[in-house]
Amino acid sequence: SQKIEQNSEALNIQEGKTATLTCNYTNYSPAYLQWYRQDPGRGPVFLLLIRENEKEKRKERLKVTFDTTLKQSLFHITASQPADSATYLCALTQAAGNKLTFGGGTRVLVKP
Amino acid sequence: NAGVTQTPKFQVLKTGQSMTLQCAQDMNHNSMYWYRQDPGMGLRLIYYSASEGTTDKGEVPNGYNVSRLNKREFSLRLESAAPSQTSVYFCASSDSLSGEQFFGPGTRLTVL
Repeated sequence: SQKIEQNSEALNIQEGKTATLTCNYTNYSPAYLQWYRQDPGRGPVFLLLIRENEKEKRKERLKVTFDTTLKQSLFHITASQPADSATYLCALTQAAGNKLTFGGGTRVLVKP
Repeated sequence: NAGVTQTPKFQVLKTGQSMTLQCAQDMNHNSMYWYRQDPGMGLRLIYYSASEGTTDKGEVPNGYNVSRLNKREFSLRLESAAPSQTSVYFCASSDSLSGEQFFGPGTRLTVL
């Protein structure tokens, strides 16, 4: 069966360090992979989209990698700040025009 | 632009009661979605509408119905609420099925 796995354990990290989150998938050949941020009591907010033919994407302090051989995406927050504390969700789609499927999310807590 | 709006924000129902959750978007998006989010379960797709005039079942459609009233509005109806439907419900929209999604603020529903 198809699975998208994110670490369900919270990631505690010191301010200024780099947070790295993983998104592993099985029985998928995703065309696109997206990352979202969700704050408590709010809806998810889109952050980044990476295509299967792209190895890396950056946006400000965020970096996403996509390894279709390992079936894995890594999401990095560099120089993390307490304001980065949130739950981060990955989502993927098999092909252009197909709907997204979301992973369970990983909670990040950045301590000052 | 208001983005995606949902009403109500909170609702308490008794088992067997019915209600409709309303969702509207002002971004001229083609696709709209209803998700539920439960602790430890991530976002699960209930129903979606790829374009005006079409609706399709998602991962967990049982006990729900939807109506794509026009391009802006997509409602979710619980005909006979059950305690298992206690959850946070999110509506989302996107330009295409595989594109970035914009989420509403959510409806917190409790069924007693």
